[in-house]
Amino acid sequence: ILNVEQSPQSLHVQEGDSTNFTCSFPSSNFYALHWYRWETAKSPEALFVMTLNGDEKKKGRISATLNTKEGYSYLYIKGSQPEDSATYLCAFNPLYGNKLVFGAGTILRVKS
Amino acid sequence: DGGITQSPKYLFRKEGQNVTLSCEQNLNHDAMYWYRQDPGQGLRLIYYSQIVNDFQKGDIAEGYSVSREKKESFPLTVTSAQKNPTAFYLCASSIGTVVNEQFFGPGTRLTVL
Repeated sequence: ILNVEQSPQSLHVQEGDSTNFTCSFPSSNFYALHWYRWETAKSPEALFVMTLNGDEKKKGRISATLNTKEGYSYLYIKGSQPEDSATYLCAFNPLYGNKLVFGAGTILRVKS
Repeated sequence: DGGITQSPKYLFRKEGQNVTLSCEQNLNHDAMYWYRQDPGQGLRLIYYSQIVNDFQKGDIAEGYSVSREKKESFPLTVTSAQKNPTAFYLCASSIGTVVNEQFFGPGTRLTVL
């Protein structure tokens, strides 16, 4: 069974703080790593799909890095805002097997 | 607007009853998926289908059944054999290529009374 771990489980920060969280995944049979944002009462929406070791992706104040050799990805949020409050999910996309393996998520709460 | 719809949003069921959750997509995606979410856990895969008239068990298929008679539709039946069915259920779809970016519906919260 493939194991995807996310840490921390939850995070409470003040508006303006920068924050980061981690996703650990198997380093073998790797094809891609996905990050999703899941706001309360909405559907999860895709943030990034990362495929190459050393990849860095950015969308506004949110960025992500990928290390496939050691099996981890970091998600960074610069200058957190209350609207960033959500659960952030990562998902391991193996090369073989048409399914994603999700981590349990990191719950971010940003206080104004 | 293209997207995925799930109905109903909330569902209550008496113990011992089967119940069917609807999932429809108009994204022309080949692959569809059902996940279950419980507090403190990641999304766990129940069943998935890569093409019409074909589906495979996921990690927690016991007590569930599905059908894929049309490309747009992938209903999930929670049977009385599912021992702990109270949960949040998410449906997703994807184009079905190796880079498996999935698009999600809004979910159905099932409560067994």
